[in-house]
Amino acid sequence: DIQMIQSPPTLSASVGDRVTITCRATQSIGSWLAWYQQKPGKAPKLLIYKASTLESGVPSRFSGGGSGTEFTLTISSLQPEDFATYYCQQCKSYPTFGGGTKVEIK
Amino acid sequence: QVQLVESGGGVVQPGGSLRLSCAASASTFRSYALHWVRQAPGKGLEWVAVLWSDGSNENYAESVRGRFTISRDSSKSTLYLQMNSLRAEDTAVYYCTTESSTYGGAFDIWGQGTMVTVAS
Repeated sequence: DIQMIQSPPTLSASVGDRVTITCRATQSIGSWLAWYQQKPGKAPKLLIYKASTLESGVPSRFSGGGSGTEFTLTISSLQPEDFATYYCQQCKSYPTFGGGTKVEIK
Repeated sequence: QVQLVESGGGVVQPGGSLRLSCAASASTFRSYALHWVRQAPGKGLEWVAVLWSDGSNENYAESVRGRFTISRDSSKSTLYLQMNSLRAEDTAVYYCTTESSTYGGAFDIWGQGTMVTVAS
Protein backbone atom coordinates (compact mmCIF):
# COMPACT_ATOMS: atom_id res chain seq x y z
CA ASP A 1 0.00 0.00 0.00
CA ILE A 2 1.07 3.56 -0.65
CA GLN A 3 1.32 5.49 2.62
CA MET A 4 0.81 9.24 2.76
CA ILE A 5 2.73 11.16 5.40
CA GLN A 6 1.38 14.61 6.05
CA SER A 7 3.03 17.38 8.08
CA PRO A 8 2.67 19.19 10.32
CA PRO A 9 -0.21 17.56 12.24
CA THR A 10 -1.16 20.95 13.64
CA LEU A 11 -0.38 24.41 12.38
CA SER A 12 -1.07 27.62 14.32
CA ALA A 13 -1.37 30.71 12.15
CA SER A 14 -2.96 34.14 11.95
CA VAL A 15 -5.30 35.67 9.41
CA GLY A 16 -3.23 36.88 6.47
CA ASP A 17 -0.42 34.37 6.98
CA ARG A 18 0.96 32.24 4.17
CA VAL A 19 0.82 28.59 5.19
CA THR A 20 2.17 25.45 3.57
CA ILE A 21 1.23 21.85 4.28
CA THR A 22 3.39 18.99 3.03
CA CYS A 23 2.43 15.50 1.96
CA ARG A 24 4.92 12.76 1.14
CA ALA A 25 4.13 9.47 -0.58
CA THR A 26 6.09 6.30 0.19
CA GLN A 27 6.38 5.64 -3.54
CA SER A 28 5.99 7.74 -6.65
CA ILE A 29 2.41 8.66 -7.51
CA GLY A 30 3.10 11.06 -10.38
CA SER A 31 0.52 13.83 -10.08
CA TRP A 32 -2.24 11.59 -8.75
CA LEU A 33 -2.87 13.60 -5.62
CA ALA A 34 -5.86 15.44 -4.19
CA TRP A 35 -6.33 17.85 -1.31
CA TYR A 36 -9.47 18.21 0.81
CA GLN A 37 -10.70 20.65 3.43
CA GLN A 38 -12.89 19.42 6.27
CA LYS A 39 -14.70 21.49 8.89
CA PRO A 40 -16.12 19.99 12.11
CA GLY A 41 -19.24 17.93 11.55
CA LYS A 42 -19.03 18.28 7.76
CA ALA A 43 -17.96 16.06 4.90
CA PRO A 44 -14.61 16.73 3.24
CA LYS A 45 -14.59 19.18 0.36
CA LEU A 46 -12.37 18.72 -2.69
CA LEU A 47 -9.95 21.64 -3.15
CA ILE A 48 -7.31 20.44 -5.60
CA TYR A 49 -6.91 17.42 -7.85
CA LYS A 50 -4.14 16.12 -10.08
CA ALA A 51 -1.75 17.78 -7.61
CA SER A 52 -2.27 21.34 -8.83
CA THR A 53 -5.69 21.78 -10.50
CA LEU A 54 -8.03 23.96 -8.49
CA GLU A 55 -11.58 22.63 -8.18
CA SER A 56 -14.23 24.96 -9.54
CA GLY A 57 -15.30 27.56 -6.98
CA VAL A 58 -12.25 27.18 -4.76
CA PRO A 59 -10.55 30.53 -4.04
CA SER A 60 -7.30 31.21 -5.87
CA ARG A 61 -5.43 31.69 -2.59
CA PHE A 62 -5.25 27.89 -2.50
CA SER A 63 -2.59 26.27 -4.63
CA GLY A 64 -1.06 22.83 -4.94
CA GLY A 65 2.33 21.73 -6.16
CA GLY A 66 4.71 18.83 -6.45
CA SER A 67 4.93 15.51 -8.19
CA GLY A 68 6.37 12.07 -7.60
CA THR A 69 6.59 11.76 -3.82
CA GLU A 70 6.57 15.32 -2.48
CA PHE A 71 3.55 17.60 -2.56
CA THR A 72 2.45 20.88 -1.01
CA LEU A 73 -0.77 22.74 -0.34
CA THR A 74 -0.28 26.47 0.10
CA ILE A 75 -2.76 29.07 1.29
CA SER A 76 -1.32 32.42 0.25
CA SER A 77 -3.25 34.59 2.72
CA LEU A 78 -5.17 32.72 5.41
CA GLN A 79 -8.78 33.79 5.82
CA PRO A 80 -11.07 33.14 8.83
CA GLU A 81 -13.03 30.50 6.90
CA ASP A 82 -9.83 28.55 6.15
CA PHE A 83 -9.38 27.33 9.73
CA ALA A 84 -10.10 23.66 9.22
CA THR A 85 -8.42 20.29 8.80
CA TYR A 86 -6.76 19.46 5.49
CA TYR A 87 -6.10 15.99 4.05
CA CYS A 88 -4.08 14.77 1.11
CA GLN A 89 -5.08 11.63 -0.79
CA GLN A 90 -3.17 9.57 -3.31
CA CYS A 91 -5.27 8.52 -6.31
CA LYS A 92 -2.73 6.32 -8.09
CA SER A 93 -3.95 3.10 -6.55
CA TYR A 94 -6.65 2.21 -4.05
CA PRO A 95 -6.95 5.47 -2.17
CA THR A 96 -5.07 6.33 0.99
CA PHE A 97 -5.15 9.56 2.92
CA GLY A 98 -2.63 11.53 4.90
CA GLY A 99 -3.19 11.87 8.62
CA GLY A 100 -4.48 15.42 8.32
CA THR A 101 -3.28 18.91 9.25
CA LYS A 102 -5.39 20.99 11.58
CA VAL A 103 -4.98 24.71 10.88
CA GLU A 104 -5.70 26.58 14.11
CA ILE A 105 -5.97 30.23 15.03
CA LYS A 106 -2.76 31.49 16.62
CA GLN B 1 -26.29 18.64 -9.45
CA VAL B 2 -25.23 15.29 -8.04
CA GLN B 3 -26.38 14.67 -4.51
CA LEU B 4 -25.65 11.77 -2.23
CA VAL B 5 -27.76 11.02 0.82
CA GLU B 6 -26.67 8.30 3.25
CA SER B 7 -28.91 6.52 5.73
CA GLY B 8 -28.96 3.38 7.86
CA GLY B 9 -26.50 4.24 10.58
CA GLY B 10 -27.16 3.49 14.23
CA VAL B 11 -25.99 1.64 17.31
CA VAL B 12 -25.23 -2.07 17.00
CA GLN B 13 -23.62 -4.63 19.29
CA PRO B 14 -20.26 -6.19 18.48
CA GLY B 15 -20.75 -9.07 16.08
CA GLY B 16 -23.93 -7.53 14.70
CA SER B 17 -24.85 -6.36 11.23
CA LEU B 18 -26.00 -3.13 9.63
CA ARG B 19 -26.75 -2.04 6.07
CA LEU B 20 -26.00 1.49 4.96
CA SER B 21 -27.68 3.10 1.96
CA CYS B 22 -26.63 5.97 -0.25
CA ALA B 23 -29.25 7.46 -2.57
CA ALA B 24 -27.94 9.17 -5.69
CA SER B 25 -29.15 10.56 -8.97
CA ALA B 26 -29.62 8.07 -11.80
CA SER B 27 -26.80 9.54 -13.86
CA THR B 28 -24.35 9.03 -11.00
CA PHE B 29 -24.40 5.26 -11.37
CA ARG B 30 -23.52 5.50 -15.04
CA SER B 31 -20.70 8.01 -14.70
CA TYR B 32 -18.96 7.43 -11.41
CA ALA B 33 -17.15 4.82 -9.45
CA LEU B 34 -18.79 4.80 -6.03
CA HIS B 35 -16.86 4.56 -2.78
CA TRP B 36 -17.41 4.34 0.94
CA VAL B 37 -15.00 6.26 3.16
CA ARG B 38 -15.17 6.31 6.95
CA GLN B 39 -13.89 8.50 9.75
CA ALA B 40 -13.61 7.29 13.33
CA PRO B 41 -14.37 9.91 16.00
CA GLY B 42 -11.52 12.43 16.17
CA LYS B 43 -9.52 10.52 13.54
CA GLY B 44 -8.63 10.82 9.88
CA LEU B 45 -10.22 9.49 6.72
CA GLU B 46 -10.06 5.80 5.78
CA TRP B 47 -11.14 4.37 2.45
CA VAL B 48 -13.44 1.36 2.87
CA ALA B 49 -14.70 0.04 -0.47
CA VAL B 50 -15.29 0.81 -4.16
CA LEU B 51 -17.77 -0.34 -6.79
CA TRP B 52 -16.97 0.36 -10.43
CA SER B 53 -19.39 2.50 -12.41
CA ASP B 54 -20.50 -0.46 -14.53
CA GLY B 55 -20.83 -2.62 -11.45
CA SER B 56 -18.29 -5.06 -12.84
CA ASN B 57 -15.81 -4.98 -10.01
CA GLU B 58 -15.40 -4.11 -6.39
CA ASN B 59 -12.61 -3.90 -3.87
CA TYR B 60 -12.17 -3.46 -0.13
CA ALA B 61 -9.74 -2.20 2.44
CA GLU B 62 -7.95 -5.01 4.22
CA SER B 63 -9.58 -3.98 7.50
CA VAL B 64 -13.08 -4.83 6.22
CA ARG B 65 -12.49 -7.48 3.54
CA GLY B 66 -14.62 -10.55 4.15
CA ARG B 67 -16.98 -8.68 6.50
CA PHE B 68 -18.34 -5.82 4.36
CA THR B 69 -20.03 -6.01 0.95
CA ILE B 70 -20.61 -3.09 -1.41
CA SER B 71 -23.46 -3.34 -3.88
CA ARG B 72 -25.99 -1.24 -5.73
CA ASP B 73 -29.54 -1.27 -7.02
CA SER B 74 -29.54 0.69 -10.26
CA SER B 75 -33.35 0.71 -10.42
CA LYS B 76 -33.33 2.64 -7.15
CA SER B 77 -30.13 4.61 -7.82
CA THR B 78 -28.90 3.43 -4.45
CA LEU B 79 -25.52 2.22 -3.22
CA TYR B 80 -25.30 -0.11 -0.24
CA LEU B 81 -22.73 -1.22 2.30
CA GLN B 82 -23.62 -4.43 4.10
CA MET B 83 -21.57 -4.62 7.27
CA ASN B 84 -21.34 -7.94 9.13
CA SER B 85 -19.34 -9.11 12.14
CA LEU B 86 -19.02 -5.52 13.31
CA ARG B 87 -16.27 -4.57 15.73
CA ALA B 88 -15.75 -1.61 18.04
CA GLU B 89 -13.11 -0.29 15.64
CA ASP B 90 -15.76 0.00 12.90
CA THR B 91 -17.33 2.87 14.85
CA ALA B 92 -17.19 5.85 12.50
CA VAL B 93 -19.06 8.25 10.29
CA TYR B 94 -19.49 6.54 6.92
CA TYR B 95 -19.53 8.67 3.79
CA CYS B 96 -20.40 7.65 0.26
CA THR B 97 -18.53 9.54 -2.39
CA THR B 98 -18.04 9.63 -6.14
CA GLU B 99 -14.90 9.29 -8.20
CA SER B 100 -14.79 10.71 -11.70
CA SER B 101 -11.96 10.20 -14.17
CA THR B 102 -12.21 13.94 -14.84
CA TYR B 103 -10.80 14.55 -11.39
CA GLY B 104 -7.93 12.09 -11.67
CA GLY B 105 -9.40 9.73 -9.13
CA ALA B 106 -10.29 12.38 -6.55
CA PHE B 107 -13.59 12.29 -4.71
CA ASP B 108 -15.61 15.23 -5.98
CA ILE B 109 -19.02 14.68 -4.39
CA TRP B 110 -19.65 13.54 -0.80
CA GLY B 111 -22.75 12.69 1.15
CA GLN B 112 -23.39 14.15 4.59
CA GLY B 113 -22.37 10.92 6.32
CA THR B 114 -24.12 8.45 8.60
CA MET B 115 -22.85 7.47 12.05
CA VAL B 116 -22.28 3.85 12.99
CA THR B 117 -21.59 3.02 16.63
CA VAL B 118 -20.56 -0.50 17.61
CA ALA B 119 -20.93 -0.91 21.36
CA SER B 120 -22.45 -3.24 23.90
